[in-house]
Amino acid sequence: GEDVEQSLFLSVREGDSSVINCTYTDSSSTYLYWYKQEPGAGLQLLTYIFSNMDMKQDQRLTVLLNKKDKHLSLRIADTQTGDSAIYFCAELEFDKLSFGAGTTVTVRA
Amino acid sequence: DTEVTQTPKHLVMGMTNKKSLKCEQHMGHRAMYWYKQKAKKPPELMFVYSYEKLSINESVPSRFSPECPNSSLLNLHLHALQPEDSALYLCASSQDKGNEQFFGPGTRLTVL
Repeated sequence: GEDVEQSLFLSVREGDSSVINCTYTDSSSTYLYWYKQEPGAGLQLLTYIFSNMDMKQDQRLTVLLNKKDKHLSLRIADTQTGDSAIYFCAELEFDKLSFGAGTTVTVRA
Repeated sequence: DTEVTQTPKHLVMGMTNKKSLKCEQHMGHRAMYWYKQKAKKPPELMFVYSYEKLSINESVPSRFSPECPNSSLLNLHLHALQPEDSALYLCASSQDKGNEQFFGPGTRLTVL
C-alpha cells in the first residue's frame, strides 16, 4: 500500500455523510476500487470507477475521481451503524491490486 | 452462485504440520488469487493464477505452495510454517486478470 494513501480513522455521527479520501500514484491505473471489510470478514467490493470517469453514484455511495490530482473519494450518505468497518481503496496496476492502508470508520449514535 | 468460498474458516497448526487451505468459485472466473492479511493491515498479494497457470508469485517462501487443480478450485498447501505466518488468508477471483476481484471470507490461520 505505499503507492496508495488513506487517512487511518474517521468518526461520523449516524445519519451524517462520511467522506473517505485516498490518493494514488500510478497515473496509468485503469480502475480504482473501494472495498469494505467488517471485523473477522473478507473484503466486500463496494464500487469501482474507471479512470476516464469523474463520478459514479450507486445508491448511498458516490465516488469522485480527480485524475489530475490523483485523488479518489468515497462518500456514504446517511451513514448507518452497519457502515462501521475498514474501507480500503485500491488501484489496479499491472494486473495487481495495490491497497491503501485502510480507513477505519466508526459510526456513533 | 456469485460467491467465493473458503475452507476451513479457522485453522490452528504446529510448525511441523502439513495442512491445506481451499478456495472455490463457480462464477466462471479464470483468474484466482491468494492474499495474506495481518491484523489492521491491507491484504498482500501472494500468488495469481490465470487460466489455471501460475502467473505471479510475489517472492513467497516455498513453505507456501499453491495449486490450481481446475478452473474452480485453488489450494494453498502449507508446510513447516512459522508463527509469523499466522494471519488471515484470503482468496479472490476475477473474470480475468485486470477485472474486479471478489474475495472469499478468508481462513484465519494460527501457527503455534
